[in-house]
Amino acid sequence: NAGVMQNPRHLVRRRGQEARLRCSPMKGHSHVYWYRQLPEEGLKFMVYLQKENIIDESGMPKERFSAEFPKEGPSILRIQQVVRGDSAAYFCASSPRAAVNQPQHFGDGTRLSIL
Amino acid sequence: AQTVTQSQPEMSVQEAETVTLSCTYDTSENNYYLFWYKQPPSRQMILVIRQEAYKQQNATENRFSVNFQKAAKSFSLKISDSQLGDTAMYFCAFMFTTSGTYKYIFGTGTRLKVLA
Repeated sequence: NAGVMQNPRHLVRRRGQEARLRCSPMKGHSHVYWYRQLPEEGLKFMVYLQKENIIDESGMPKERFSAEFPKEGPSILRIQQVVRGDSAAYFCASSPRAAVNQPQHFGDGTRLSIL
Repeated sequence: AQTVTQSQPEMSVQEAETVTLSCTYDTSENNYYLFWYKQPPSRQMILVIRQEAYKQQNATENRFSVNFQKAAKSFSLKISDSQLGDTAMYFCAFMFTTSGTYKYIFGTGTRLKVLA
């Protein structure tokens, strides 16, 4: 059973460009979570999605960031007009259901570098 | 506000020895779970162990065990017989539910180095 797949592993963008990060959850998982990790820090929650719905986006910046999880295909985290401060590792996690005892399974992350 | 604090940015331990990583948290929630994740240089996030807040018994997973003190809001990780492959960042995390959503709050991590 393949784990959570994230691509690309590394993404380099120039300031002002758009970044698209993809996440395919584990088979059978319909809940997806995105986190951001700055150097030497823990993961910070950004957004929680269930198929076709955003459940909680309280951790996501109001501007330039958006996320989707369509009925078919991977979840996408989109960052428009990137700035240097967007440089970070972005992790996706998935779970089969939403429950407080349900651990999330993480992908290997996408390291975004802004030139 | 929910917070998780890991007060040891870095630790080292000799191979085969035992090491304890500390974690404290703050919450007003009653229903929550606590987790330890390991992040090796490859950057994967690997679940090490989890503890249910309503259980008194400390969780154990092979060489990994926790000391859960609910009243003190403390959740330390003990690694016995340390191995070189245990070298990694270790994150303590707390999961709770609010308004139909489930969130992890992560600590800032402890970098553990196992010395040969």
